[in-house]
Amino acid sequence: AQRVTQPEKLLSVFKGAPVELKCNYSYSGSPELFWYVQYSRQRLQLLLRHISRESIKGFTADLNKGETSFHLKKPFAQEEDSAMYYCALSPPTGFQKLVFGTGTRLLVSP
Amino acid sequence: NAGVTQTPKFQVLKTGQSMTLQCAQDMNHEYMSWYRQDPGMGLRLIHYSVGAGITDQGEVPNGYNVSRSTTEDFPLRLLSAAPSQTSVYFCASSYDDSGNTIYFGEGSWLTVV
Repeated sequence: AQRVTQPEKLLSVFKGAPVELKCNYSYSGSPELFWYVQYSRQRLQLLLRHISRESIKGFTADLNKGETSFHLKKPFAQEEDSAMYYCALSPPTGFQKLVFGTGTRLLVSP
Repeated sequence: NAGVTQTPKFQVLKTGQSMTLQCAQDMNHEYMSWYRQDPGMGLRLIHYSVGAGITDQGEVPNGYNVSRSTTEDFPLRLLSAAPSQTSVYFCASSYDDSGNTIYFGEGSWLTVV
């Protein structure tokens, strides 16, 4: 069964602190992994995806196939990072068929 | 450039009523899809379309119909609304299925009483 697990509903940190949003997945095969973000009053948007191996807004995510994890990290959190973050996977040839986790709300305090 | 536009934004229905959630995109995207998000859950795929005239079921298709007569529009029809269909509905589109960015609409909040 395909499943994405985000164990933390809320992660609260202070500005400048490191951030790690956890994501574990279950999939028989090699899925594509994504992180989506939804800022207040904005649409859900792609933050980054494993296939491109980019760093966006200082965030990176490493795919660990052994642990089936795709944790999102940032060394120094900013207040503008406060948002809802969703981890998602798709089949390797079906990027439209996303399976989402339940999301983690990141709150960065000054 | 409007992107993905969903209407209505808010709707209250009575059990048994039918309605259509509209989704339109102006980016000439082939791929479109509908998701629903229930409280405390992630988005779940209802139906998707890989091009005009072609649709397929996602994870939770029961109680919903779709059609894709044009590239721009992908309406979602609730045939006989049930309280279990109270949810936030998101429409999404992308240029193709090769991993290009998926664009989401703002969401439609539906309450069935």
